[in-house]
Amino acid sequence: GDSVTQMEGPVTLSEEAFLTINCTYTATGYPSLFWYVQYPGEGLQLLLKATKADDKGSNKGFEATYRKETTSFHLEKGSVQVSDSAVYFCALSSMSNTGKLIFGQGTTLQVKP
Amino acid sequence: DSGVTQTPKHLITATGQRVTLRCSPRSGDLSVYWYQQSLDQGLQFLIHYYNGEERAKGNILERFSAQQFPDLHSELNLSSLELGDSALYFCASSVAWGSTEAFFGQGTRLTVV
Repeated sequence: GDSVTQMEGPVTLSEEAFLTINCTYTATGYPSLFWYVQYPGEGLQLLLKATKADDKGSNKGFEATYRKETTSFHLEKGSVQVSDSAVYFCALSSMSNTGKLIFGQGTTLQVKP
Repeated sequence: DSGVTQTPKHLITATGQRVTLRCSPRSGDLSVYWYQQSLDQGLQFLIHYYNGEERAKGNILERFSAQQFPDLHSELNLSSLELGDSALYFCASSVAWGSTEAFFGQGTRLTVV
């Protein structure tokens, strides 16, 4: 079945450092890919998405490119802030599975001043 | 604010009891998804309803059931509760079903003692 694998955390960075969180997926068909973020004590918020190969999703300085050839959707940000500290989830959904989201295990990011 | 409302925010109950979690989707959204977030299992899809009909089931125990009402709100019923059912339960809504964006509520934190 469909699945998502994320790099394990926690990831600890200093403010203004470059961030990469790796995400790879296995899916039949052509899924949409998402990054969700969960701040402490809150629900999940959509950070960005891409619906087809080579699409780049971007929001709040974060970017991810849908790479079908490598089945990857890595999250990047050029300069992280303390306020980016949260748990990041990579996820996929597709018409073949009614749109339910299949999540990776989540990666905790801690940014230190 | 995602527009998805979940009640209650916190629930503490004893083993063997039954509880009902409620979700009001965003205005106009026909799909409701339920997810369970626990430390050991991560974010797991439970069940999907679309316009009142069940569309997909995931890793949902037989002790759990859900329904979506004509006004599109949904309820997740958990019975014969066990300590291992302690988790954060999220609902998410989307306009249709498939690869569309889903919006999450803040979750209900269930503690079984």
